[in-house]
This record gives sequence, structure tokens and C-alpha cells, in this order.
Amino acid sequence: AQKVTQAQTEISVVEKEDVTLDCVYETRDTTYYLFWYKQPPSGELVFLIRRNSFDEQNEISGRYSWNFQKSTSSFNFTITASQVVDSAVYFCALSEAASNTGKLIFGQGTTLQVKP
Amino acid sequence: SQTIHQWPATLVQPVGSPLSLECTVEGTSNPNLYWYRQAAGRGLQLLFYSVGIGQISSEVPQNLSASRPQDRQFILSSKKLLLSDSGFYLCAWGLVNNEQFFGPGTRLTVL
Repeated sequence: AQKVTQAQTEISVVEKEDVTLDCVYETRDTTYYLFWYKQPPSGELVFLIRRNSFDEQNEISGRYSWNFQKSTSSFNFTITASQVVDSAVYFCALSEAASNTGKLIFGQGTTLQVKP
Repeated sequence: SQTIHQWPATLVQPVGSPLSLECTVEGTSNPNLYWYRQAAGRGLQLLFYSVGIGQISSEVPQNLSASRPQDRQFILSSKKLLLSDSGFYLCAWGLVNNEQFFGPGTRLTVL
């Protein structure tokens, strides 16, 4: 069965520290997609990244980077030099191609607090 | 560009009252549409999705129903609200195997 686990419920760091948010997924599908979303206090989910199961290249976008490892079924998210504006709930999600519906299976989320 | 609207933004309803939340999408045709619920301090649970007009799939048995009367309109309803229906309701649109884009959400409190 498909499942996404974000074991870290809450993380607190001081500004400028690096922080890694963990995401572990389970799926039997060979073609799938992984996502990260940010949910600021306003509540709206903001899309950050999409990665398909055939592309294990790590990605960097400014202070954000993602490490996708199929061998460990993980898709971790690192924020370098964190800022107060990074404070939010972050969700990892999985979509299986076989479902043909685009349904997202979300992890429980990690609340990140960046203190000044 | 695509835009997704949800209303109302907040809603306080008594137990047993009806519910109607509306979601509309602009700037795209024949999108897949989704309703999610987020209980306080928890993750998102998919409630319904629709791949076309009049086509609704329910993910979990519950007190709610959904309808898609037009291509870019998705409605979440209930005939009688329960306390457990309280939460943050998010509508999203997307294309299969691509990211979903979320609306601003509706905070529902059932008293």
C-alpha cells in the first residue's frame, strides 16, 4: 500500500542554520511522483518541487535542495541558511502513475520553526 | 495563468445544518479537481476527486458529498453537519502525474 512518512513532527532551528526535513515513502508502483509543499500560516499550500521516479538527480533551487534516493525510498528536503520566513508546515506527497487519477498521498507534515 | 478560488474563507455552522463550499478554477480546461480536509494539527486527507463533469470518486465514507456541475466548478456539500466535520477544506486542481495547485481554503467550525 502507498504511504508517506514524515517522522519529524516539529523542528526548531535558529536563523542561518541548515535544516533537513525527512520523507520516506512506500509504493509498489514503478512509476510514481514525489512532491514537496509548503504551508505557511495563511494555510494555502505552495508547490515547491515535483520529482518522477526515474530521475534521481538531486535538485537545488536557491537555498532549497532535494535528495531523492530510491534505494532508501527517501526524498529529503534541505534548507540552507534558514530564515524566519521559512517557518511553515512542510508536506511531502506521493502520486502513483498506475492510479491514473493524480491523487496525492500526503505525509503528516513537519512544522519548521526558524527563530531569529 | 491559472487561478483557483474557494469560498467562503471561513464558516461557523451549527451541528445539523447544511453545508455548501464552492471551488472554481480559471485558466485551464478539463482539470482534475480534488477536495482535501485538514484536521487541526494533522495532515491532508483526500475526500473526493473528479476527472470530469459529473464524475465523482469518494475516497472515504463520510457525511459529505461532492458534485461537479461544470468543467471548472467543484462543490462540497453536506445535508447535516457533524462536529467531526470541522477542519480546513482545500480544493485543488491538477493534471494527472503533475503537481496540484491549491486554493486558499475554507476554515469550517461546527458548533
